[in-house]
Amino acid sequence: NAGVMQNPRHLVRRRGQEARLRCSPMKGHSHVYWYRQLPEEGLKFMVYLQKENIIDESGMPKERFSAEFPKEGPSILRIQQVVRGDSAAYFCASKTSADTQYFGPGTRLTVL
Amino acid sequence: AQKVTQAQTEISVVEKEDVTLDCVYETRDTTYYLFWYKQPPSGELVFLIRRNSFDEQNEISGRYSWNFQKSTSSFNFTITASQVVDSAVYFCALSEASGYSTLTFGKGTMLLVSP
Repeated sequence: NAGVMQNPRHLVRRRGQEARLRCSPMKGHSHVYWYRQLPEEGLKFMVYLQKENIIDESGMPKERFSAEFPKEGPSILRIQQVVRGDSAAYFCASKTSADTQYFGPGTRLTVL
Repeated sequence: AQKVTQAQTEISVVEKEDVTLDCVYETRDTTYYLFWYKQPPSGELVFLIRRNSFDEQNEISGRYSWNFQKSTSSFNFTITASQVVDSAVYFCALSEASGYSTLTFGKGTMLLVSP
Protein backbone atom coordinates (compact mmCIF):
# COMPACT_ATOMS: atom_id res chain seq x y z
CA ASN A 1 0.00 0.00 0.00
CA ALA A 2 1.63 3.21 -1.14
CA GLY A 3 2.05 5.93 1.43
CA VAL A 4 1.01 9.55 1.17
CA MET A 5 2.50 11.11 -1.95
CA GLN A 6 3.43 14.74 -2.31
CA ASN A 7 4.82 16.55 -5.30
CA PRO A 8 6.89 18.32 -6.08
CA ARG A 9 9.37 17.57 -3.32
CA HIS A 10 11.12 20.86 -3.92
CA LEU A 11 9.63 23.97 -5.46
CA VAL A 12 11.32 27.27 -6.18
CA ARG A 13 9.26 30.33 -6.99
CA ARG A 14 10.00 34.00 -7.38
CA ARG A 15 8.06 36.55 -5.39
CA GLY A 16 4.65 37.13 -6.94
CA GLN A 17 4.37 33.75 -8.64
CA GLU A 18 1.91 31.01 -7.76
CA ALA A 19 2.79 27.77 -6.00
CA ARG A 20 0.74 24.60 -6.35
CA LEU A 21 1.42 21.74 -3.98
CA ARG A 22 -0.15 18.34 -4.56
CA CYS A 23 -1.02 15.59 -2.15
CA SER A 24 -2.31 12.11 -2.94
CA PRO A 25 -3.58 10.42 0.22
CA MET A 26 -3.06 6.79 1.09
CA LYS A 27 -5.46 4.43 -0.62
CA GLY A 28 -8.75 4.35 1.22
CA HIS A 29 -8.09 7.60 3.10
CA SER A 30 -10.68 10.30 2.59
CA HIS A 31 -9.39 12.83 5.13
CA VAL A 32 -6.54 15.17 4.23
CA TYR A 33 -4.70 17.66 6.40
CA TRP A 34 -2.12 20.28 5.46
CA TYR A 35 0.54 21.50 7.90
CA ARG A 36 3.31 24.04 7.51
CA GLN A 37 6.72 23.80 9.11
CA LEU A 38 8.42 27.16 9.42
CA PRO A 39 11.95 27.46 10.81
CA GLU A 40 11.89 28.00 14.57
CA GLU A 41 8.10 27.61 14.70
CA GLY A 42 7.46 23.92 14.39
CA LEU A 43 4.54 22.29 12.63
CA LYS A 44 1.28 24.19 12.43
CA PHE A 45 -2.08 23.00 11.20
CA MET A 46 -3.44 24.82 8.17
CA VAL A 47 -6.50 23.11 6.74
CA TYR A 48 -8.53 19.90 6.98
CA LEU A 49 -10.45 18.57 4.00
CA GLN A 50 -12.62 15.64 3.13
CA LYS A 51 -13.60 14.82 -0.42
CA GLU A 52 -14.98 18.00 -2.00
CA ASN A 53 -15.37 19.72 1.38
CA ILE A 54 -13.26 22.02 3.52
CA ILE A 55 -13.94 20.99 7.10
CA ASP A 56 -11.63 23.34 8.99
CA GLU A 57 -9.47 26.10 7.50
CA SER A 58 -8.82 27.95 10.74
CA GLY A 59 -5.05 27.63 10.41
CA MET A 60 -4.79 28.88 6.87
CA PRO A 61 -4.07 32.55 6.10
CA LYS A 62 -7.16 34.25 4.71
CA GLU A 63 -5.30 35.92 1.88
CA ARG A 64 -3.49 34.17 -1.00
CA PHE A 65 -3.92 30.62 0.33
CA SER A 66 -6.55 28.13 -0.81
CA ALA A 67 -7.01 24.37 -0.69
CA GLU A 68 -9.18 21.83 -2.40
CA PHE A 69 -9.71 18.08 -2.43
CA PRO A 70 -11.78 17.24 -5.50
CA LYS A 71 -13.78 14.10 -6.01
CA GLU A 72 -11.13 12.84 -8.39
CA GLY A 73 -7.45 13.59 -8.11
CA PRO A 74 -5.10 14.87 -5.46
CA SER A 75 -5.59 17.57 -2.88
CA ILE A 76 -4.08 20.89 -3.92
CA LEU A 77 -2.70 23.63 -1.72
CA ARG A 78 -2.41 26.80 -3.73
CA ILE A 79 -0.46 29.88 -2.74
CA GLN A 80 -0.92 32.93 -4.90
CA GLN A 81 1.56 35.80 -5.16
CA VAL A 82 4.11 34.09 -2.97
CA VAL A 83 6.30 36.12 -0.62
CA ARG A 84 9.57 35.19 1.06
CA GLY A 85 7.74 34.44 4.29
CA ASP A 86 5.94 31.56 2.55
CA SER A 87 9.23 29.65 2.32
CA ALA A 88 8.66 26.55 4.42
CA ALA A 89 8.08 22.82 4.32
CA TYR A 90 4.47 21.94 3.63
CA PHE A 91 3.28 18.55 4.80
CA CYS A 92 0.16 16.68 3.88
CA ALA A 93 -1.30 13.95 6.07
CA SER A 94 -4.15 11.57 5.47
CA LYS A 95 -6.25 9.24 7.56
CA THR A 96 -9.33 7.10 7.55
CA SER A 97 -12.12 7.79 10.02
CA ALA A 98 -9.74 6.50 12.69
CA ASP A 99 -7.44 9.04 14.25
CA THR A 100 -3.87 8.40 13.18
CA GLN A 101 -2.55 10.74 10.52
CA TYR A 102 0.15 9.50 8.18
CA PHE A 103 2.34 12.11 6.61
CA GLY A 104 3.79 12.55 3.17
CA PRO A 105 7.44 13.46 2.57
CA GLY A 106 6.65 17.16 2.34
CA THR A 107 7.20 19.88 -0.25
CA ARG A 108 10.01 22.33 0.41
CA LEU A 109 8.99 25.70 -0.99
CA THR A 110 11.67 28.32 -1.52
CA VAL A 111 10.66 31.81 -2.54
CA LEU A 112 13.42 33.87 -4.09
CA ALA B 1 -6.79 25.56 23.77
CA GLN B 2 -4.34 22.74 23.41
CA LYS B 3 -0.64 23.06 23.99
CA VAL B 4 2.33 20.72 23.81
CA THR B 5 5.66 21.57 25.38
CA GLN B 6 8.92 19.85 24.59
CA ALA B 7 11.33 21.65 26.85
CA GLN B 8 14.44 19.95 25.49
CA THR B 9 15.46 21.67 22.30
CA GLU B 10 18.47 19.48 21.62
CA ILE B 11 20.00 16.41 23.24
CA SER B 12 23.37 14.87 22.44
CA VAL B 13 24.27 11.35 23.54
CA VAL B 14 26.85 8.76 22.69
CA GLU B 15 25.76 5.54 21.06
CA LYS B 16 24.35 2.91 23.46
CA GLU B 17 23.27 5.47 26.00
CA ASP B 18 19.63 5.60 27.05
CA VAL B 19 17.82 8.86 26.42
CA THR B 20 14.42 10.21 27.47
CA LEU B 21 12.55 12.87 25.54
CA ASP B 22 10.05 14.83 27.59
CA CYS B 23 6.58 15.92 26.53
CA VAL B 24 4.08 17.85 28.62
CA TYR B 25 0.66 18.75 27.31
CA GLU B 26 -2.35 20.88 28.16
CA THR B 27 -5.92 20.24 27.08
CA ARG B 28 -9.44 20.75 28.33
CA ASP B 29 -10.69 17.67 26.52
CA THR B 30 -11.51 14.66 28.66
CA THR B 31 -10.64 12.29 25.86
CA TYR B 32 -7.73 12.87 23.55
CA TYR B 33 -4.87 11.22 21.73
CA LEU B 34 -1.15 11.66 22.12
CA PHE B 35 1.38 10.92 19.40
CA TRP B 36 5.08 10.79 18.72
CA TYR B 37 6.51 11.38 15.28
CA LYS B 38 10.12 11.16 14.10
CA GLN B 39 11.65 13.48 11.49
CA PRO B 40 15.01 12.11 10.31
CA PRO B 41 17.49 14.30 8.40
CA SER B 42 15.80 13.29 5.14
CA GLY B 43 12.82 15.34 6.28
CA GLU B 44 9.81 13.06 6.22
CA LEU B 45 7.56 12.60 9.25
CA VAL B 46 7.32 9.06 10.53
CA PHE B 47 4.53 7.97 12.85
CA LEU B 48 5.79 6.17 15.95
CA ILE B 49 2.90 5.77 18.37
CA ARG B 50 -0.60 6.85 19.28
CA ARG B 51 -1.93 6.71 22.82
CA ASN B 52 -5.54 7.12 23.99
CA SER B 53 -6.11 9.26 27.07
CA PHE B 54 -8.04 6.50 28.80
CA ASP B 55 -5.19 4.01 28.47
CA GLU B 56 -2.31 4.77 30.82
CA GLN B 57 -0.44 1.55 30.31
CA ASN B 58 3.15 2.06 29.33
CA GLU B 59 4.17 0.67 25.99
CA ILE B 60 7.37 -0.88 24.75
CA SER B 61 8.32 -1.50 21.15
CA GLY B 62 11.81 -2.83 20.75
CA ARG B 63 14.22 -0.17 22.01
CA TYR B 64 11.41 2.40 22.28
CA SER B 65 9.19 2.85 25.31
CA TRP B 66 6.59 5.41 26.27
CA ASN B 67 5.50 6.52 29.72
CA PHE B 68 2.07 8.17 29.84
CA GLN B 69 1.13 9.81 33.14
CA LYS B 70 -2.19 11.60 33.13
CA SER B 71 -1.62 12.98 36.63
CA THR B 72 1.32 15.04 35.40
CA SER B 73 0.07 15.50 31.82
CA SER B 74 3.21 13.93 30.46
CA PHE B 75 3.95 11.49 27.69
CA ASN B 76 7.68 10.79 27.73
CA PHE B 77 9.59 8.75 25.20
CA THR B 78 12.67 6.68 26.03
CA ILE B 79 15.13 5.18 23.59
CA THR B 80 17.22 2.42 25.10
CA ALA B 81 20.72 1.73 23.80
CA SER B 82 20.56 4.57 21.31
CA GLN B 83 21.99 4.18 17.82
CA VAL B 84 23.27 6.68 15.27
CA VAL B 85 20.19 6.01 13.15
CA ASP B 86 18.06 7.39 15.99
CA SER B 87 19.42 10.86 15.22
CA ALA B 88 16.39 12.91 14.25
CA VAL B 89 13.94 15.52 15.46
CA TYR B 90 11.18 13.98 17.55
CA PHE B 91 7.78 15.61 17.81
CA CYS B 92 5.13 15.04 20.42
CA ALA B 93 1.58 15.89 19.33
CA LEU B 94 -1.94 16.04 20.74
CA SER B 95 -5.39 15.82 19.20
CA GLU B 96 -8.89 15.70 20.54
CA ALA B 97 -10.64 12.37 20.22
CA SER B 98 -13.12 13.38 17.60
CA GLY B 99 -13.35 13.09 13.86
CA TYR B 100 -11.54 16.39 13.43
CA SER B 101 -8.27 15.22 14.98
CA THR B 102 -6.15 18.18 13.98
CA LEU B 103 -2.74 17.78 15.54
CA THR B 104 -1.12 20.28 17.89
CA PHE B 105 2.63 19.74 17.84
CA GLY B 106 5.39 20.55 20.25
CA LYS B 107 8.41 22.34 18.82
CA GLY B 108 10.40 19.14 18.68
CA THR B 109 13.54 17.78 20.29
CA MET B 110 16.59 17.26 18.14
CA LEU B 111 18.43 14.10 19.16
CA LEU B 112 22.00 13.67 18.04
CA VAL B 113 23.56 10.27 18.64
CA SER B 114 27.31 10.14 18.14
CA PRO B 115 29.26 6.97 17.46
